[in-house]
Amino acid sequence: GAGVSQSPRYKVAKRGQDVALRCDPISGHVSLFWYQQALGQGPEFLTYFQNEAQLDKSGLPSDRFFAERPEGSVSTLKIQRTQQEDSAVYLCASSPIAGASYEQYFGPGTRLTVT
Amino acid sequence: KQEVTQIPAALSVPEGENLVLNCSFTDSAIYNLQWFRQDPGKGLTSLLLIQSSQREQTSGRLNASLDKSSGRSTLYIAASQPGDSATYLCAVRQGGSYIPTFGRGTSLIVHP
Repeated sequence: GAGVSQSPRYKVAKRGQDVALRCDPISGHVSLFWYQQALGQGPEFLTYFQNEAQLDKSGLPSDRFFAERPEGSVSTLKIQRTQQEDSAVYLCASSPIAGASYEQYFGPGTRLTVT
Repeated sequence: KQEVTQIPAALSVPEGENLVLNCSFTDSAIYNLQWFRQDPGKGLTSLLLIQSSQREQTSGRLNASLDKSSGRSTLYIAASQPGDSATYLCAVRQGGSYIPTFGRGTSLIVHP
């Protein structure tokens, strides 16, 4: 079946622009995660959804970052007034159940470059 | 705060060698540990997931072991191939948490 998909795959934004990154999880997956991966680093947690509920947003670096999953499937990560330090790969992952016991399935990521 | 370290940061070997990649973590109260591979410009592919009650997991030429008490895991790759070239990441989850902590990865190149 189809895996996790993300769009766009690449995004170049001028500093100050707003961007929206989309994640389509595997159908029926309850849990959805967003991560930020800087060059040469491991992914860092941003936020977690269980169905449509955002249970944890402790990793969002500032109030310029906003995520939603209104119908419990597709999720959008929005970054307002982008800054150069926002340049990174943004990864989305989904899991079929809630909780920590099951593995996460990752999408290919969106590479954001802020100029 | 959990910290995950992966050694070496980079590795270049000829085809056919057996390899050991290391992952260490500072807080041994983990729930599980997962090994991933990441190809350039792509997302993460899960390789092996080891629950805290397990000592090892195997999949094909890959074997991952877990020693919770010493805060270590190793990923063993047998008879390496050029197609194994990628970055290998390990991630640990604490008990009761769904948030994994990742290491920085080991960048592996297997040359023919």
